Amino acid sequence: AQSVTQLDSQVPVFEEAPVELRCNYSSSVSVYLFWYVQYPNQGLQLLLKYLSGSTLVESINGFEAEFNKSQTSFHLRKPSVHISDTAEYFCAVSAYMDSNYQLIWGAGTKLIIKP
Amino acid sequence: GAGVSQTPSNKVTEKGKYVELRCDPISGHTALYWYRQSLGQGPEFLIYFQGTGAADDSGLPNDRFFAVRPEGSVSTLKIQRTERGDSAVYLCASSDHGLAGGDTQYFGPGTRLTVL
Repeated sequence: AQSVTQLDSQVPVFEEAPVELRCNYSSSVSVYLFWYVQYPNQGLQLLLKYLSGSTLVESINGFEAEFNKSQTSFHLRKPSVHISDTAEYFCAVSAYMDSNYQLIWGAGTKLIIKP
Repeated sequence: GAGVSQTPSNKVTEKGKYVELRCDPISGHTALYWYRQSLGQGPEFLIYFQGTGAADDSGLPNDRFFAVRPEGSVSTLKIQRTERGDSAVYLCASSDHGLAGGDTQYFGPGTRLTVL
């Protein structure tokens, strides 16, 4: 069965410091990879996704993630975080299962920005 | 434009009662998904509609759960004989096509169901 592991349930970091949120998945087949973000009191929204091509994908607000096939990872990074980045971040994998694609989700990582 | 909307935002019910949760997807989106999210966990897939038909209902936990989308737009998730373990946030999402695994899903704010 497919699974997604987010290794940290919470990541506290000082404002303007770099951050990495880790995501590993188990799959022996081609997958599509996503990071979704949930800001306080809001719904889930797409942050970025990898479909094909360049293994490094970027979001409009400075986050980036790199697809590493050999390590089955899709870690999310930002060189300098802001207080507005406080949110919960979910990694998800879209895999073909039983004749349809399904999104399999990690448990989420809460990014806590310390002033 | 309008996003995905879900009603009610909160629902409190007693064990054994029947509940209906409604989802209004983005206009024109053919694919609609229901998920359940428990505290401290990621969303858990329940069912996926392509148009009016349920293309994949493998995530429904048991036969107390049922969902419909009669006109290919609004969907209703129905839970019979609710149990305390059904308490969770129920999320709805829609996407353009749903046939390609790389589609972005757009989520509603969720319905928080509490079964007493």
